[in-house]
Amino acid sequence: GENVEQHPSTLSVQEGDSAVIKCTYSDSASNYFPWYKQELGKGPQLIIDIRSNVGEKKDQRIAVTLNKTAKHFSLHITETQPEDSAVYFCAATRGKGANNLFFGTGTRLTVIP
Amino acid sequence: GAVVSQHPSRVICKSGTSVKIECRSLDFQATTMFWYRQFPKQSLMLMATSNEGSKATYEQGVEKDKFLINHASLTLSTLTVTSAHPEDSSFYICSVPALLDEQFFGPGTRLTVL
Repeated sequence: GENVEQHPSTLSVQEGDSAVIKCTYSDSASNYFPWYKQELGKGPQLIIDIRSNVGEKKDQRIAVTLNKTAKHFSLHITETQPEDSAVYFCAATRGKGANNLFFGTGTRLTVIP
Repeated sequence: GAVVSQHPSRVICKSGTSVKIECRSLDFQATTMFWYRQFPKQSLMLMATSNEGSKATYEQGVEKDKFLINHASLTLSTLTVTSAHPEDSSFYICSVPALLDEQFFGPGTRLTVL
């Protein structure tokens, strides 16, 4: 089955700096890679995703890159703000027909004002 | 994306009792829903796949007789934790797959078994 590893487990940055979280996956058949933000006591919120036919995707301050050959993908947050503080999870799935999500272990991001 | 609600948001029960958690897809008809469990400071672990009109599919190690799932309609799935024990205390979250590959999660239910 799929194995998703995520690093770092914790990350502290100064407000305005960038944050990068990296994930690797094992199943070459995985083709959909979402990122979720989870605030304390709440469910995960989809913030950005990327499919295997794309190498990079950007949405305002958030971007995701995918390297299929190396089987890794990364989340980039620029100009971080205190409200970005949360736990971020990467995930991988084969998609429709077998769309069970396999989650990384999470990264606790703290943005210091 | 799909709007998903869960009820209750928090529940405290005595050991040995049963607890029902509802997951509703408010704006999207879902033939499939997923149930996850999350322990403190850990990742989400898939427990089972809820299928409308048929039996749920459970992940390895999840007791189907303990975690009863009923997907009664295209907008409602329920998870019943039977004879709950303190080790069942956890954060239970459901998700709804959308048109493509996206999954949208409910707000979660915090279960505490005394």
